Amino acid sequence: AQKVTQAQTEISVVEKEDVTLDCVYETRDTTYYLFWYKQPPSGELVFLIRRNSFDEQNEISGRYSWNFQKSTSSFNFTITASQVVDSAVYFCALSEVRRGSARQLTFGSGTQLTVLP
Amino acid sequence: DVKVTQSSRYLVKRTGEKVFLECVQDMDHENMFWYRQDPGLGLRLIYFSYDVKMKEKGDIPEGYSVSREKKERFSLILESASTNQTSMYLCASSDIDFGETQYFGPGTRLLVL
Repeated sequence: AQKVTQAQTEISVVEKEDVTLDCVYETRDTTYYLFWYKQPPSGELVFLIRRNSFDEQNEISGRYSWNFQKSTSSFNFTITASQVVDSAVYFCALSEVRRGSARQLTFGSGTQLTVLP
Repeated sequence: DVKVTQSSRYLVKRTGEKVFLECVQDMDHENMFWYRQDPGLGLRLIYFSYDVKMKEKGDIPEGYSVSREKKERFSLILESASTNQTSMYLCASSDIDFGETQYFGPGTRLLVL
């Protein structure tokens, strides 16, 4: 069975601090995709990044960066110089084909990030 | 940009009512999904559809049904709403490209009294 673990339930930081959100996954698939989503208080899940299992290059997008390591089954997310607007729940997810022909997502339980001014 | 819209942001219904939640996507995506999100339980897949008129049960289909008569529209139906169906409902769509990335709508907060 596929599983995604986000051990950090809540994190609080002060603005401008760096923060890393951890994600550990389990899968037997050789081809899979990993995702990060942001859910602000408004409720909508916003797609941030997708990584496939064959691409272990780290990625940087502005203040966001992602570290994918197959050896440790981890896909961690770092926000540099955090801002109040980064306050949200962040979900890590793993895609799989469990039924039918569409890939389905297995979500972690989410990490509530609070950035204090 | 992908656009997924849901018919209501907030909905209040009475126990026993039939409830329709509508979801529309404008990117010609093959796949559409319905989730519910509850505190402490996370996001759970109710149903999904991989083509018009095709549907598959997710992890918690009991008490729900779905309809996909057109490619862009996916409806979630609560035949007889119950208080334990009070929740946040999220719709998503994806296509076969780009790892089938799912794009989500704004969500519908349903309260069943």
